[in-house]
Amino acid sequence: EAQVTQNPRYLITVTGKKLTVTCSQNMNHEYMSWYRQDPGLGLRQIYYSMNVEVTDKGDVPEGYKVSRKEKRNFPLILESPSPNQTSLYFCASSLSARDLNYEQYFGPGTRLTVT
Amino acid sequence: GNSVTQMEGPVTLSEEAFLTINCTYTATGYPSLFWYVQYPGEGLQLLLKATKADDKGSNKGFEATYRKETTSFHLEKGSVQVSDSAVYFCALTSSSGGSYIPTFGRGTSLIVHP
Repeated sequence: EAQVTQNPRYLITVTGKKLTVTCSQNMNHEYMSWYRQDPGLGLRQIYYSMNVEVTDKGDVPEGYKVSRKEKRNFPLILESPSPNQTSLYFCASSLSARDLNYEQYFGPGTRLTVT
Repeated sequence: GNSVTQMEGPVTLSEEAFLTINCTYTATGYPSLFWYVQYPGEGLQLLLKATKADDKGSNKGFEATYRKETTSFHLEKGSVQVSDSAVYFCALTSSSGGSYIPTFGRGTSLIVHP
């Protein structure tokens, strides 16, 4: 089944404790992206990757890191989480970074709480 | 920069009512337009799309027409069901300097009562 998977689905952590949220897709997609969803603000892009070893900042990259060593994986790293990073996070992928017509496929989301 | 503006929700309707959710956009060039739906506890999934002016996207009884002259992509359904209760996101993709740029609206919550 074609899908985007994220782990963990739920995470409660404390300020300053490094964490990684994994994202994997099995569709051989070039483009991958991370978003956060907050009430009243909709979806905001954190980082994106056009292909392996190519990553770039989205609208709200502060406090986050990413890497794209393999085509299928795109982990999101919070080196020192803070309470303002409490949010619902979505990973997404799209077949091609060069064609505007391709839609994005979203993972099920990771709900992160930082205390 | 690009932007997508959706009507604020929640939109509350009775079953079998007509639905319109307004969406307007600002973008350079010729964007592709999308509607995504998010059911409770799930990720977003594509509902429909239109890739050029005057195209109509349709799926599951929902329709939207790409209107370049009014920069709009309003979502409509003739008769909503309780199962349509969800959050609906209007979105576009455009290109800038070779980069694929997706832009989302803030989402509109739809609540359908029996």
